[in-house]
Amino acid sequence: DTAVSQTPKYLVTQMGNDKSIKCEQNLGHDTMYWYKQDSKKFLKIMFSYNNKELIINETVPNRFSPKSPDKAHLNLHINSLELGDSAVYFCASAPNSGANVLTFGAGSRLTVL
Amino acid sequence: QKEVEQNSGPLSVPEGAIASLNCTYSDRGSQSFFWYRQYSGKSPELIMSIYSNGDKEDGRFTAQLNKASQYVSLLIRDSQPSDSATYLCAVNGGGGADGLTFGKGTHLIIQP
Repeated sequence: DTAVSQTPKYLVTQMGNDKSIKCEQNLGHDTMYWYKQDSKKFLKIMFSYNNKELIINETVPNRFSPKSPDKAHLNLHINSLELGDSAVYFCASAPNSGANVLTFGAGSRLTVL
Repeated sequence: QKEVEQNSGPLSVPEGAIASLNCTYSDRGSQSFFWYRQYSGKSPELIMSIYSNGDKEDGRFTAQLNKASQYVSLLIRDSQPSDSATYLCAVNGGGGADGLTFGKGTHLIIQP
């Protein structure tokens, strides 16, 4: 029983394409996140989503858009992919307690050619 | 802009010794502090959390927090080769939806 699951695990695509990464959590958590980990292993928050409130990191290009059909799912859609988008994308969730103990998914490695 | 600073290493420690990992943070209003361990090609996993000044011990791990100095550390006693990983310091300001701000991580190598 995977607590936070992401698909696909690997994604290779051409520049200019549009792609999506799906995330689901079965922990009953109220808050979900997307993080990007670049080639230097720096883990940076992109979005958080809590009770239909979306908080966006201002440095994230608007080509990236999160979609949440319900509180157990937070998908990431990326338009017009660029070489610099190549990274590992981690979904995470946390209970809405304010302590923010994150549970991460296994990650989705995106390679843009 | 919240910042979390860590020495990227690599930090090399002989097996059985104490590994000491350090972290400083810029936001004086930060309330919660975490250490995550990340093996190569894997996702981060929580190993310690600390919320008040002082020491917190869990098995071979001890987290230390000094809010006045804006400093967090992690000690690993009796280091094992399986402790070799990247250790990420993370800080939260208290707002649930803000998420965690991570440092760039310290790469720890335990030499058998």
